[in-house]
Amino acid sequence: QFQLQESGPGLVKPSETLSLTCSASGGSITSSTFYWGWIRQSPGKGLEWIGSTYYSGNAFSNPSLKGRVTISVDMSRNNFSLKLSSVTASDTAVYYCVRIGRYPLYYYMDLWGKGTSVTVSS
Amino acid sequence: EIVLTQSPGTLSLSPGQRATLSCRVSQSVSSDSLAWYQQKPGQAPRLLIYGASSRATGIPDRFSGSGSGTDFTLTISRLEPEDFAVYYCQQYGSSLYTFGQGTKLEIK
Repeated sequence: QFQLQESGPGLVKPSETLSLTCSASGGSITSSTFYWGWIRQSPGKGLEWIGSTYYSGNAFSNPSLKGRVTISVDMSRNNFSLKLSSVTASDTAVYYCVRIGRYPLYYYMDLWGKGTSVTVSS
Repeated sequence: EIVLTQSPGTLSLSPGQRATLSCRVSQSVSSDSLAWYQQKPGQAPRLLIYGASSRATGIPDRFSGSGSGTDFTLTISRLEPEDFAVYYCQQYGSSLYTFGQGTKLEIK
C-alpha cells in the first residue's frame, strides 16, 4: 500500500536551512488525484501546515513562515522535498510529510509519514 | 485569519461512554472544509472525518461528525479503549490549512 517516509538531518544549526525529503512507495507521486505537503508539530504550536504542492509544481505555503519555505517534487525519484531557510529554535518540531487527497470538494491529509524530529540548535 | 478553538482541552471518560468534542471556528465556513483527525501517542495523526460529517475509509461508525457555520462536533458514541487519544479539527480556506489546538480524550 501507499507509504510515505521522511528523511533528513535531525539537527540543524540556527540560521541554516532545514532540508527534508519524503519518499513515496506503493504508488506514484505523479498521480493527478493528490497534492503533497508538509505539516509540523511542536509542543508550543501544535499542528501547523507548512505548505503543499502538486506534482507538476504550483507549490503554496503558510504565510506565517514568511517566504522561508520551498517545496519541490522529484518525479524521477518519486519523492518531494522541503527546504526551510533561516531556521531558529522555534522551528524545532516533528515534521510530517502528507498526501492530500480530494474529498470531494476539498483536499484533506489522508496519508501521513511517521514523522521525523528536527532540532534547531548550535 | 481563521482560528479554530477546541473544547474541552481534556475530556476524562470511561470506556462505553459517549464523547462529545467541540470545534468552534472564528468565522462561518463551509462544512465541506472541516475535518477531524485522531492522534495516538507516538503516531502521526489519522484522518477521521472530512466534510464535517463523512467518515474516512476504515473509520468505525461509532465516530460521527456534525455541525455547520462556526460550530462543529465530533461524537464517539461508545468509547473503546483504542479511542483514547488527541483529536484535532482542521479547516481549509483561502489556500491555508488551520488546525485547532486539540482535545485530549483520556481514560477516567
